[in-house]
Amino acid sequence: QKEVEQNSGPLSVPEGAIASLNCTYSDRGSQSFFWYRQYSGKSPELIMSIYSNGDKEDGRFTAQLNKASQYVSLLIRDSQPSDSATYLCAVNVGGGADGLTFGKGTHLIIQP
Amino acid sequence: EPEVTQTPSHQVTQMGQEVILRCVPISNHLYFYWYRQILGQKVEFLVSFYNNEISEKSEIFDDQFSVERPDGSNFTLKIRSTKLEDSAMYFCASSPLMGGETQYFGPGTRLLVL
Repeated sequence: QKEVEQNSGPLSVPEGAIASLNCTYSDRGSQSFFWYRQYSGKSPELIMSIYSNGDKEDGRFTAQLNKASQYVSLLIRDSQPSDSATYLCAVNVGGGADGLTFGKGTHLIIQP
Repeated sequence: EPEVTQTPSHQVTQMGQEVILRCVPISNHLYFYWYRQILGQKVEFLVSFYNNEISEKSEIFDDQFSVERPDGSNFTLKIRSTKLEDSAMYFCASSPLMGGETQYFGPGTRLLVL
């Protein structure tokens, strides 16, 4: 059974601060990990992908992966009001044509 | 920048009717997917498609669902006899052969079954 767990929030963070979003997954065979952002009524928008243990940075975003702990996180630095959205953690177990398993998402609110 | 497109954006249908949701994946992508998201719930995988055949399907993708790539650009999801519980947002996604498994989502079709 593939499970991806996220705290649903809401997570409230002041503008300019660091937002930290966390995700755990159940399948140790998982190979690929993704963070998507979803605004209300819209489709998931890819933010970051990460495949190996450690940190991966892209602009204000840093993804962290720890396969031993089955844990993925996303840090958003210098949070902006436009970052307010639901952040979805997604995991791909087998690669290739395997479907993504999504968490329920964390609702992030950036307070101006 | 290339995008996945979906039509229609909204569809209302009567229970028991057939619906076809259409998608145009990004042109050089080879893997295609359908997902659904019931209001307030998580995004759920339905089916993946590669080389003109289904690669993987979830428990949700039962006999009332089918997928097809009728030509070189379109990818369709058919629901044969819609139920009230099929009301959801349906997302199409595609990914390239090269570059890993990153999947790019279309804007979605909101289906309402009455």
